[in-house]
Amino acid sequence: DQQVKQNSPSLSVQEGRISILNCDYTNSMFDYFLWYKKYPAEGPTFLISISSIKDKNEDGRFTVFLNKSAKHLSLHIVPSQPGDSAVYFCAASARGAQKLVFGQGTRLTINP
Amino acid sequence: ETGVTQTPRHLVMGMTNKKSLKCEQHLGHNAMYWYKQSAKKPLELMFVYNFKEQTENNSVPSRFSPECPNSSHLFLHLHTLQPEDSALYLCASSHAPGQEVNYGYTFGSGTRLTVV
Repeated sequence: DQQVKQNSPSLSVQEGRISILNCDYTNSMFDYFLWYKKYPAEGPTFLISISSIKDKNEDGRFTVFLNKSAKHLSLHIVPSQPGDSAVYFCAASARGAQKLVFGQGTRLTINP
Repeated sequence: ETGVTQTPRHLVMGMTNKKSLKCEQHLGHNAMYWYKQSAKKPLELMFVYNFKEQTENNSVPSRFSPECPNSSHLFLHLHTLQPEDSALYLCASSHAPGQEVNYGYTFGSGTRLTVV
C-alpha cells in the first residue's frame, strides 16, 4: 500500500513558466511533509517542508501548498529555471514517527 | 559535500561475491538509515538505527546485513545478491527521536550497485 503517491512520473515546463508538482497521501496521521530534489548521481537534498498546521510555506521561488481535506500537496516553482531540472520526491511523516515515507518521484525538465 | 559520505560510489559485484557499503556522517546525528532506490519506485526504507541500535528492519532479506559500530558510521554488508538487487543504495542521517525535532534527513550521494 503506497501511502504517498506522485502520479506524474515526468513533467516538462518552459523556462520562466510555473512548474507545479503534485503529491497525494492516504495516511491521515501524516502531519509533516517535505520535498526533496535529486540530481543524477547525487542523493536527494532537502528543498522545502510544511507542517500540517499551515496550508502554505514559501521559500524564494518555491512554495508548497497543503490541502489537508483532500490529502494533497503541491510544489510550485516560479519562475522555473534550467537548474531546476531534477527528480522531485514528496515525503511525509506522522507525529511521533521517525520514518519518512517517500513518493516515487517526478522528473521535472525545464526547457530553454 | 552533503555531510553524509558514501563509498564506493559505484560497485559491480557477482552473485557469489561479498562486499560492503560504507556510510559516514559528521553532522552530530544519532539516527542513520539505509534506503534502496530502484527505477520508477519510491525510496524504500531498509533499516533504521538510533544511537547505534537497530530499531527497524523493513523485511529486508538476510543477504543484506547492516552494521552500525557508532553513531557516525553505518555499513551494509552484501553477500549472495541477486541481479534484482541492483539499485541505488542511499544512506541518510537525522536527529534521533527525542533528541530534538526530527525534520527530515540528510542523504549521501548513494552507491550505484550492479549485480551481475
